[in-house]
Amino acid sequence: GIQVEQSPPDLILQEGANSTLRCNFSDSVNNLQWFHQNPWGQLINLFYIPSGTKQNGRLSATTVATERYSLLYISSSQTTDSGVYFCAAPSRSSNTGKLIFGQGTTLQVKP
Amino acid sequence: DAGVIQSPRHEVTEMGQEVTLRCKPISGHNSLFWYRQTMMRGLELLIYFNNNVPIDDSGMPEDRFSAKMPNASFSTLKIQPSEPRDSAVYFCASSFGQGTYNEQFFGPGTRLTVL
Repeated sequence: GIQVEQSPPDLILQEGANSTLRCNFSDSVNNLQWFHQNPWGQLINLFYIPSGTKQNGRLSATTVATERYSLLYISSSQTTDSGVYFCAAPSRSSNTGKLIFGQGTTLQVKP
Repeated sequence: DAGVIQSPRHEVTEMGQEVTLRCKPISGHNSLFWYRQTMMRGLELLIYFNNNVPIDDSGMPEDRFSAKMPNASFSTLKIQPSEPRDSAVYFCASSFGQGTYNEQFFGPGTRLTVL
């Protein structure tokens, strides 16, 4: 099945800094999602981005499906951005909708 | 609109007891997923329903786990008997449509502790 790898595993930022999180996947995909798991454990949808670029406030994401990677950009980080960021994708050969999650990037934003 | 609703939010039980987790998907969604999150294995799919029918249950750990979806607005995940290794956060998610093209939305999760 598809492998989803995220980097870096951990990231510490000073408030106001920018960052880029990366997600590599081993197979072609027709769906890719980015989530933020906040300190209370909730999984918040950030982007549904099989290809192209999307922006939502200080966050933006780009997926280059042909090269099998996606990037999540966080600009002007805030302490509320802390938590774990997951990307998830199903294999194109899958017909079950099963999302395969990466191991996540744990982000800590210091005031 | 209400998102995916799960209950209970927290459950503490003793080994050997039956546990039932409940999920109400987003209205109009016809695909429902149960995932489990542990430190060791991360997030993994347990079972997927489409139009109330189980399509993929290959992730269900063993016969102690069972899931039902009697109608479009309700699903249960049951563990009987429960064991300490079942301790995890169980998420329910829903989407519109079938297959892999569609965005999945997750509920708040149920944190299960089996003593």
